[in-house]
Amino acid sequence: QKEVEQDPGPLSVPEGAIVSLNCTYSNSAFQYFMWYRQYSRKGPELLMYTYSSGNKEDGRFTAQVDKSSKYISLFIRDSQPSDSATYLCAMSGTGSARQLTFGSGTQLTVLP
Amino acid sequence: SQTIHQWPATLVQPVGSPLSLECTVEGTSNPNLYWYRQAAGRGLQLLFYSVGIGQISSEVPQNLSASRPQDRQFILSSKKLLLSDSGFYLCAWGTGLADGDTQYFGPGTRLTVL
Repeated sequence: QKEVEQDPGPLSVPEGAIVSLNCTYSNSAFQYFMWYRQYSRKGPELLMYTYSSGNKEDGRFTAQVDKSSKYISLFIRDSQPSDSATYLCAMSGTGSARQLTFGSGTQLTVLP
Repeated sequence: SQTIHQWPATLVQPVGSPLSLECTVEGTSNPNLYWYRQAAGRGLQLLFYSVGIGQISSEVPQNLSASRPQDRQFILSSKKLLLSDSGFYLCAWGTGLADGDTQYFGPGTRLTVL
């Protein structure tokens, strides 16, 4: 079993839809949670960073962490064609989890 | 602000040829540095990481090697490329344990071995 599981998709939604992207993990030592966005043939860019449980909002993006369920989500409101990309979750913590562990990515297409 | 550079952006090399990819970081001191490989449609595979000059940890045994001759310079090398070395190579710098080792990526080098 992988430490971080992420549905690879692909996921296609119409413009304006609310998108929900999710990751589950198994290591309870994870405390830092990140979402990266990667456009085709580009390097990943950091989109959201969250420490421990709770919600964080930045414009149209909301990151949620539920440590009790070992589940994190990224919500995109009013999705735009420019949001079409691969989204990678990543997490780290202490001890054996101190290095960043990435999910395999979810490919998202927002149709105009 | 911090900036990370990688070159070349694209490279086509024959099997058995040597390889040298370079990564430099600006605007930060003593960063953690990382080399990843990303195969088409797949996740990130950590190859090497470094916490300081001359300190290299290898995650995957293979015909690649890494060096860190200066604080903000990270080099990925191979003496003889294999077909399986084709992929998208990404360099990243990390903030360290105090911030969950948040990593910031360069633009990548797309390597095709023929």
